[in-house]
Amino acid sequence: AQSVAQPEDQVNVAEGNPLTVKCTYSVSGNPYLFWYVQYPNRGLQFLLKYITGDNLVKGSYGFEAEFNKSQTSFHLKKPSALVSDSALYFCAVRDPTSGTYKYIFGTGTRLKVLA
Amino acid sequence: DTGVSQDPRHKITKRGQNVTFRCDPISEHNRLYWYRQTLGQGPEFLTYFQNEAQLEKSRLLSDRFSAERPKGSFSTLEIQRTEQGDSAMYLCASSWSLGTGIEEAFFGQGTRLTVV
Repeated sequence: AQSVAQPEDQVNVAEGNPLTVKCTYSVSGNPYLFWYVQYPNRGLQFLLKYITGDNLVKGSYGFEAEFNKSQTSFHLKKPSALVSDSALYFCAVRDPTSGTYKYIFGTGTRLKVLA
Repeated sequence: DTGVSQDPRHKITKRGQNVTFRCDPISEHNRLYWYRQTLGQGPEFLTYFQNEAQLEKSRLLSDRFSAERPKGSFSTLEIQRTEQGDSAMYLCASSWSLGTGIEEAFFGQGTRLTVV
């Protein structure tokens, strides 16, 4: 069965510091991995995805994520955090060999960037 | 606005009443998803459509829940005999799929249901 884990409910980081939001996954085949961000009273917004190829993928708003197959991880990173990055972040996985096209989401990590 | 549109944004209903939500996907998108999100949780999959065909339903989708997507355009999600446990944010998403699964989905702002 597919699953996603986001081990941290909340991450606090000072503005200007690098940030990392962690995600690990479990699928039977090669995963398709996604990151979404949710601001208050807004829908989920797509940030980036890993399908295949380069393990470091770049996305919107200066975010990037590193795929690590041996550690089954897909951590979200940003070199320099902004207060406006404060939001709820969700990791999601799809297993293209599973016969389903649903996205499986983690429980979310609240990022708080302190001025 | 050419994004995914959901109506209503908020719904308060009494326990036992029926409610219906509407989702208008991005116009050229052939795949449409419904998710439910409760406080402190990630979105939970309910069902998805490929054009007008409902291809998968979650075990979460009890007999009181039904979804349709007539003509492969907008979709409705109906909950009959609502219960307090149905209180949640109901999210709709759409995507353009060639069947590879690599595409990302675009989400609407959701319908917040409160059952009193």
